[in-house]
Amino acid sequence: EADIYQTPRYLVIGTGKKITLECSQTMGHDKMYWYQQDPGMELHLIHYSYGVNSTEKGDLSSESTVSRIRTEHFPLTLESARPSHTSQYLCASSFDGGNYGYTFGSGTRLTVV
Amino acid sequence: RKEVEQDPGPFNVPEGATVAFNCTYSNSASQSFFWYRQDCRKEPKLLMSVYSSGNEDGRFTAQLNRASQYISLLIRDSKLSDSATYLCVVNLYQAGTALIFGKGTTLSVSS
Repeated sequence: EADIYQTPRYLVIGTGKKITLECSQTMGHDKMYWYQQDPGMELHLIHYSYGVNSTEKGDLSSESTVSRIRTEHFPLTLESARPSHTSQYLCASSFDGGNYGYTFGSGTRLTVV
Repeated sequence: RKEVEQDPGPFNVPEGATVAFNCTYSNSASQSFFWYRQDCRKEPKLLMSVYSSGNEDGRFTAQLNRASQYISLLIRDSKLSDSATYLCVVNLYQAGTALIFGKGTTLSVSS
């Protein structure tokens, strides 16, 4: 049973729309992450948070923004979606920064038309 | 040079075969290591951590060579259900970093 939840599972949206991808975890983990993965490619870190009110950009440049107002919630927002944003977005969490790996949500598959 | 490099796939093997995946990492400061499994269009799931002494979990054996910055995964007696992409993952475990994922090696086991 998943302890980290992402919604929506699939999203098709028009160019220029604002969208928010939701991620929530019930494990009380302080550390949360957003990765982007194109088909057949590696995961790339786009944002991470080490706790409430802490957010940082990852290695991959992204036009998205994140917030961390509550420990369990780490939403990702795109102010104006473009076709280049079409990808899979994976949220993950850990309690110690990764010494025991991360737990991933099921992902959101985003298509911008 | 990519931080984590893996054998190019796909590996196509019959049931019962033994298959080995290799991975190299570029940063000698890397401190923890993992193999993840990712099924098609699914999220990655932790398969096993990799320890310096080597470790085994059923049909799966992982090895780490810090001097060569090399990680391996051996799967014995392959099952159809082992078909997936296997991701090599390292953690620098420093402030401001996160797990770094390899591109993955795809395994296809056939009957």
